[in-house]
Amino acid sequence: AQTVTQSQPEMSVQEAETVTLSCTYDTSESDYYLFWYKQPPSRQMILVIRQEAYKQQNATENRFSVNFQKAAKSFSLKISDSQLGDAAMYFCAISGTYKYIFGTGTRLKVLA
Amino acid sequence: NAGVMQNPRHLVRRRGQEARLRCSPMKGHSHVYWYRQLPEEGLKFMVYLQKENIIDESGMPKERFSAEFPKEGPSILRIQQVVRGDSAAYFCASSDRGRNTGELFFGEGSRLTVL
Repeated sequence: AQTVTQSQPEMSVQEAETVTLSCTYDTSESDYYLFWYKQPPSRQMILVIRQEAYKQQNATENRFSVNFQKAAKSFSLKISDSQLGDAAMYFCAISGTYKYIFGTGTRLKVLA
Repeated sequence: NAGVMQNPRHLVRRRGQEARLRCSPMKGHSHVYWYRQLPEEGLKFMVYLQKENIIDESGMPKERFSAEFPKEGPSILRIQQVVRGDSAAYFCASSDRGRNTGELFFGEGSRLTVL
């Protein structure tokens, strides 16, 4: 079975500052992908970044980057130069053979 | 290229009625997933379907819930004899790849309210 744990129900960051959202996971599969999705108040789920487990290099997408520690089963998301539009729920997810499992989410508040 | 389309966006049912939620995946996508989201909670996997086949329904309650993805037409999530606890947002997502290697594209969700 696969599990995803997000231990921070809520985080706050000052505009233009950097924030890191934590995610740990567990899986018995050797071939999997990890994702961070954003859910703004509109509730539309939007992919932020994706990491292939077999790649050691951390994925980066503009202001978003991950710290992927495979041995520790950790997959944190770093948001640099935070903007008001980054305020949303952020979900960490892992894909397995037949399904994607999501964490419980972290609500990010951006303070002006 | 139209995204994942879900309808209705909002559905109100009384206890005991049936709810039918529809999902049209992105063009070219043959993998459909249904998730349920309770207020202030994460997404709970319900079922994974490919065209005409249910691949994994381990997250779907055995009673009252069913799902299909016919050869032609949208995927349908059907909830019979709804109860108040079924009130939630139901999200559909689609992918163009097997083995879950690709991005999931989500619809805007269908919000079911049971009175």
